[in-house]
Amino acid sequence: GENVEQHPSTLSVQEGDSAVIKCTYSDSASNYFPWYKQELGKGPQLIIDIRSNVGEKKDQRIAVTLNKTAKHFSLHITETQPEDSAVYFCAASISVGSGGGADGLTFGKGTHLIIQP
Amino acid sequence: ETGVTQSPTHLIKTRGQQVTLRCSSQSGHNTVSWYQQALGQGPQFIFQYYREEENGRGNFPPRFSGLQFPNYSSELNVNALELDDSALYLCASSFTGGAHEAFFGQGTRLTVV
Repeated sequence: GENVEQHPSTLSVQEGDSAVIKCTYSDSASNYFPWYKQELGKGPQLIIDIRSNVGEKKDQRIAVTLNKTAKHFSLHITETQPEDSAVYFCAASISVGSGGGADGLTFGKGTHLIIQP
Repeated sequence: ETGVTQSPTHLIKTRGQQVTLRCSSQSGHNTVSWYQQALGQGPQFIFQYYREEENGRGNFPPRFSGLQFPNYSSELNVNALELDDSALYLCASSFTGGAHEAFFGQGTRLTVV
């Protein structure tokens, strides 16, 4: 099955600086790559996603890049703010249907992002 | 807010007991997936329900079972609870036949003692 590795496990950056979280996946058939933000006591919140036919996607301060050849994808957050502090998860799936398809989403172990004031 | 609601929010059970967790999917969604999230880990896929049938399953034993109802809401049942079943159980709602996005509820924190 799919295996997703995520680095780093903890990332501390100064407010206003950029943060980058990297993930690799093992199954070349994976074609859908969402990123989730999880705050303490809450469920994961979808913040951005990318499909395998696209190399990069941006949404305001957040961007995701995908390198299918190397089987890795990254989350970039610019101009970080205190409210960006949370745990971020990458995920991958072979999505022929919905919500990860019949095999579901395979998640990384998470990155605890700390924004220092 | 995603519109996905789960109940209860917290639950304490004794080893060997059975538990039922509930999920109401987001309006317009027809598919529900369940995940188990141990402390400090990413969510792990348990199974998915579409058209009231199990549509896919992760590496979980048969004592984890589920249901989906005609209104697309869902239940997760766990029999013969073990201490290792203590985790946050997450429900994700999506739409098969459309966009890929899955939206999660706030989860049910299950503690087995």
